[in-house]
Amino acid sequence: QKEVEQNSGPLSVPEGAIASLNCTYSDRGSQSFFWYRQYSGKSPELIMSIYSNGDKEDGRFTAQLNKASQYVSLLIRDSQPSDSATYLCAVKGNTPLVFGKGTRLSVIA
Amino acid sequence: ETGVTQSPTHLIKTRGQQVTLRCSSQSGHNTVSWYQQALGQGPQFIFQYYREEENGRGNFPPRFSGLQFPNYSSELNVNALELDDSALYLCASSWEISKNIQYFGAGTRLSVL
Repeated sequence: QKEVEQNSGPLSVPEGAIASLNCTYSDRGSQSFFWYRQYSGKSPELIMSIYSNGDKEDGRFTAQLNKASQYVSLLIRDSQPSDSATYLCAVKGNTPLVFGKGTRLSVIA
Repeated sequence: ETGVTQSPTHLIKTRGQQVTLRCSSQSGHNTVSWYQQALGQGPQFIFQYYREEENGRGNFPPRFSGLQFPNYSSELNVNALELDDSALYLCASSWEISKNIQYFGAGTRLSVL
């Protein structure tokens, strides 16, 4: 059973701070890693994809991947109240996309 | 806006009924995946269609079935509805199986009473 684990939260950070979201996965054959943002009652929206070890930056978002530790993270710099949502980690190897349960982020103004 | 459209947006059914959900993939995308998302959970993979053929199935019973049409739109059919089938049903499209980035539609909220 391929698993993706996330802390369900809520993770509360003040406006302007860095939010750090973490995810671990069980399948060592995983090749592709994604972060989706999901607002309440809405569908997941792709934020970042990462395929190789290291960091990938896109605006205020940085994804970090460590395949040896089977760990992927998402950093959100200068957090805004509009970033308040559930963040889903998704992992794919030779299997369909497997999602974690998501971490609920609350950015306090 | 991903270009993936789903219909209907909301649906209420009673236990034992059958339901059909529809999805139009983003232009140029030939792969459609369906997910079930229960409240407070991550999306769970139901099955995937690639060029009109089923290409992978998750841990869902046979009463969950699907189709993909020549224009790459897709249907999800659920027979003999159960209360636990109440969930958000998500369709995601991508270009070719090997291209892993999937874009989601707005979803269909199904309530089974």
